[in-house]
Amino acid sequence: EAGVTQFPSHSVIEKGQTVTLRCDPISGHDNLYWYRRVMGKEIKFLLHFVKESKQDESGMPNNRFLAERTGGTYSTLKVQPAELEDSGVYFCASSHQGQGGSNEQFFGPGTRLTVL
Amino acid sequence: GQQLNQSPQSMFIQEGEDVSMNCTSSSIFNTWLWYKQDPGEGPVLLIALYKAGELTSNGRLTAQFGITRKDSFLNISASIPSDVGIYFCAGQLAYGGSQGNLIFGKGTKLSVKP
Repeated sequence: EAGVTQFPSHSVIEKGQTVTLRCDPISGHDNLYWYRRVMGKEIKFLLHFVKESKQDESGMPNNRFLAERTGGTYSTLKVQPAELEDSGVYFCASSHQGQGGSNEQFFGPGTRLTVL
Repeated sequence: GQQLNQSPQSMFIQEGEDVSMNCTSSSIFNTWLWYKQDPGEGPVLLIALYKAGELTSNGRLTAQFGITRKDSFLNISASIPSDVGIYFCAGQLAYGGSQGNLIFGKGTKLSVKP
């Protein structure tokens, strides 16, 4: 069974540009999460999808970030326009929907975003 | 915001030694998870804990969900070089948090000397 995959693995862009990150969850996982780790800080929650619906987006930093999950399969996270403080590693995770199992989140390898 | 205090921040040990790390909080959690991250990879789930007092093992790893529900520890016995990496605790709040929103500690960086 394939794990969570993310694309690209690295992205270097200039301030003001737009970047779109993609996440493919484990097949059959209804829950999809985005997290971010800024240099020197802990991994922080951004948002949570259940299928195509946003369950919780309380961690999204501001309206420059837009996440979508059309069709309830893969998800994209777009940053527009990117700012220097957006640099970090963006992780995607997925989990089963179900009692007891939904908290076992499996993470992708991350996308390292550098904004110059 | 909610915070997990993970310690130690880093450890440098001899191969064969046992390792212990922990996470504490002023808040109550209903789930504790322990992850390991290797360079260039995402966090890999090691152990999941769901009940206060629960003690779970995964090979040489043992983790416990504290009775107060505010802490958890991870022990690694007889460490080997491939144990090197960053270990993260993560928890889901019992109150005030939403389903799935994991709060992470800052990580414990483990180095093992052969």
